[in-house]
Amino acid sequence: QVQLVESGGGVVQPGRSLRLSCAASGFSFSSYAMHWVRQAPGKGLEWVTVISYDGSTKYYADSVKGRFTISRDNSKNTLYLQMDSLRPEDTAVYYCAGGVSGRVDYWGQGTLVTVSS
Amino acid sequence: DIQMTQSPSSLSASVGDRVTITCRASQGISNYLAWFQQKPGKAPKSLIYAASTLQSGVPSKFSGSGSGTDFTLTISSLQPEDFATYYCQQYYNYPRTFGPGTKVDIK
Repeated sequence: QVQLVESGGGVVQPGRSLRLSCAASGFSFSSYAMHWVRQAPGKGLEWVTVISYDGSTKYYADSVKGRFTISRDNSKNTLYLQMDSLRPEDTAVYYCAGGVSGRVDYWGQGTLVTVSS
Repeated sequence: DIQMTQSPSSLSASVGDRVTITCRASQGISNYLAWFQQKPGKAPKSLIYAASTLQSGVPSKFSGSGSGTDFTLTISSLQPEDFATYYCQQYYNYPRTFGPGTKVDIK
């Protein structure tokens, strides 16, 4: 069955960096665009970034542009999110999600990132 | 950016009720509209894409309709497992944007 398993979350001080990973299985990872979506505590869903199936195209939300970098390794079926210059407002559960034709079909279980001194 | 709104923001309903949630886009998005269900403490689940196509395994009590700027999600007969928050999302362009969510709870 389809699995997306995020890891790498934790508590980090403002201004520091963190890298999230998302291990995929049960579907053709290299054919799917992959997204990161986050959810601050008690808030709604916020789209963060997307990478095309082959890694050639990326888009970012304005709130993270220039600070976050999405990447993928199709040989390892793994998605990454490098988060630099973290701010308290980046505190959220981060979900990886994948889909075709622009949509999202699958979701991971999420990993919590807390930015606090 | 395309703004997504939902109404109502919350509703109380009884088991067996028919429930309709509305989603509106600030500009036309054709049928590039998805619906997601999220239960407390859990990841979202994909329910519908292309405004009206059910994801694999989603029961037929869920249905979606609409095109352009106005969309609806209907649950034909609410069951205990359907109490959750529902989000719409446009995937017409980037940045992707979600509605603020509609919380469905038990009356």
